[in-house]
Amino acid sequence: DAGVIQSPRHEVTEMGQEVTLRCKPISGHDYLFWYRQTMMRGLELLIYFNNNVPIDDSGMPEDRFSAKMPNASFSTLKIQPSEPRDSAVYFCASNRGRRNEQFFGPGTRLTVL
Amino acid sequence: QQQVKQSPQSLIVQKGGISIINCAYENTAFDYFPWYQQFPGKGPALLIAIRPDVSEKKEGRFTISFNKSAKQFSLHIMDSQPGDSATYFCAASRRTNFGNEKLTFGTGTRLTIIP
Repeated sequence: DAGVIQSPRHEVTEMGQEVTLRCKPISGHDYLFWYRQTMMRGLELLIYFNNNVPIDDSGMPEDRFSAKMPNASFSTLKIQPSEPRDSAVYFCASNRGRRNEQFFGPGTRLTVL
Repeated sequence: QQQVKQSPQSLIVQKGGISIINCAYENTAFDYFPWYQQFPGKGPALLIAIRPDVSEKKEGRFTISFNKSAKQFSLHIMDSQPGDSATYFCAASRRTNFGNEKLTFGTGTRLTIIP
């Protein structure tokens, strides 16, 4: 199994540009989570999906952030317009059913200049 | 609101020593307490986890101690090795209406094992 796949691994963009991060969960997993990691705030849950349906988006910082999961094997996290304070490592994770262990992808390091 | 407080922020331990990382939580509804290990450039990975019906769980050199009344839990790494150098996150979760468990993470501890 390839594990959770994220792309791109690194993204450098300028303030005001649209950024799209992508995630492919592990096949068969029905929960998908998006996290943001910074030195100041640690790991923060942004949003999670169950069977492609958003369950809890209370961690999404503001309307500039949006996430979609059009099918069981793909999800996107979009930031529009991006700001320097969005610079962070964004992780996608998935798990199966009621099992506890979440499997994390390698992350996308986003730098907004 | 930070629901899981972790300390210390960084820790340096000599090879062969015991590394101890502490966490405290506020929400008494939490019923699952995992520790994740993260190496540079990688995503976190589950290391060991405990439920509040036991006070201790051991897996190899890694032990979780849990104190329900104090709402605290800790990770002990015995005979610490340079390969244990990583960032460690405690976490906690509770059942949601949808059955799955949403993790709340501590702020992380950067552990360095020196020869």
